[in-house]
Amino acid sequence: QSALTQPASVSGSPGQSITISCTETNSDVGNYNVVSWYQQHPDKAPQLIIFAVDKRPSGVSSRFSGSKSGNTASLTISGLQAEDEADYYCSSYASGHVVFGGGTKLTVL
Amino acid sequence: QVQLQESGPGLVKPSGTLSLTCAVSGGSVSSTQWLSWVRQPPGKGLEWIGEIYHSGSTNYNPSLKSRVTMSIDKSRSHFSLKVISVTAADTAIYYCARVYCSSANCYLEAFDAWGQGTMVTVSS
Repeated sequence: QSALTQPASVSGSPGQSITISCTETNSDVGNYNVVSWYQQHPDKAPQLIIFAVDKRPSGVSSRFSGSKSGNTASLTISGLQAEDEADYYCSSYASGHVVFGGGTKLTVL
Repeated sequence: QVQLQESGPGLVKPSGTLSLTCAVSGGSVSSTQWLSWVRQPPGKGLEWIGEIYHSGSTNYNPSLKSRVTMSIDKSRSHFSLKVISVTAADTAIYYCARVYCSSANCYLEAFDAWGQGTMVTVSS
């Protein structure tokens, strides 16, 4: 079973850009463009912000962007705002099941 | 705009069965092609439990497969989750979440609508 590894925490100042990585440890899934990203504020359900590596659902700010190179997907948030402070999770799908990354806590300084 | 709402007992005894339903409103159960269940232990990350297609076919997390059953009741517009032989490790917020489907494709790792979640505690 594949696993997705994210940094436990990242931080940035308002206006800056940050990137959160999501590395798949099973090389078999590296060829699949099936990575999504979620934002979760405390005591709230997760919200989809990126799907299929780099696509944004309707209504999601263009400050959020996704990319993938080999086995590592990345979420970039540009022009950091205080409201971006939240937990972020990546997810992928392979071999008939979904896997989530462990989550990254973003702190806006 | 489809809305999802989980419901069920908030407290389950160890070795008992956890039973939850996910009600769909603002759209038919049949229009929700794939639905997943996801859980989140207090203070921890997300864990995918499994998914069910509107035809009734299922895929489960290998680590939970022996204890999980998902079903769909189209007449009542709801999905159901059962987890047997629960332990304290099953204590979590349980979410139902709709898989995002465009006109051309379903993205099985992308959940575009979530319920608000329901807390289930396993304790005697």
